Amino acid sequence: QQQVKQSPQSLIVQKGGISIINCAYENTAFDYFPWYQQFPGKGPALLIAIRPDVSEKKEGRFTISFNKSAKQFSLHIMDSQPGDSATYFCAAVHGSGNTGKLIFGQGTTLQVKP
Amino acid sequence: EPEVTQTPSHQVTQMGQEVILRCVPISNHLYFYWYRQILGQKVEFLVSFYNNEISEKSEIFDDQFSVERPDGSNFTLKIRSTKLEDSAMYFCASNKDRTSNQPQHFGDGTRLSIL
Repeated sequence: QQQVKQSPQSLIVQKGGISIINCAYENTAFDYFPWYQQFPGKGPALLIAIRPDVSEKKEGRFTISFNKSAKQFSLHIMDSQPGDSATYFCAAVHGSGNTGKLIFGQGTTLQVKP
Repeated sequence: EPEVTQTPSHQVTQMGQEVILRCVPISNHLYFYWYRQILGQKVEFLVSFYNNEISEKSEIFDDQFSVERPDGSNFTLKIRSTKLEDSAMYFCASNKDRTSNQPQHFGDGTRLSIL
């Protein structure tokens, strides 16, 4: 119930291509779904986030698609660039009344080839 | 942009020794967290802290772990008697508000190596 499942574990994309990372959850009490980007030697940094009352959110080249009925959400990186090469984590947060802790997926290592 | 700072960046300790990891959260933030990331694995929640007390802790956060906010700026994680399996990256995070629309800001972590 507390898990967030993320796939694929690793992804190789050519420059200019689309990177797609998928996540699934069980607990319907989650009500905030952020994506974090992590470069080697750095902490996770918030990339983009969505709430379940919205089916899609776009910020620049990054888009989250959210399917509430399927309890799935995904990150799309359009026009992928070598600088996007990093580890990406989806996460989920419980609704109000909770401590705000993040439940992370297993992570996806993205390599964008020039 | 304000950031969460953690020290040291790398700590090497003998098994059985005590270690203290230090964090300075963003100044107007009220909620504080420690997470752990074993090499190659996902980031795992350890503990959350608010109003000078633990608000939630995970199964990982056993009696060997403690947290403290000794003054108005620092937030520390202490491991009393370290074990080999405590080797990991430890991340501190802070949040202005625990409600779901406020992002947590992470430090760059402390790599803890237990020998």
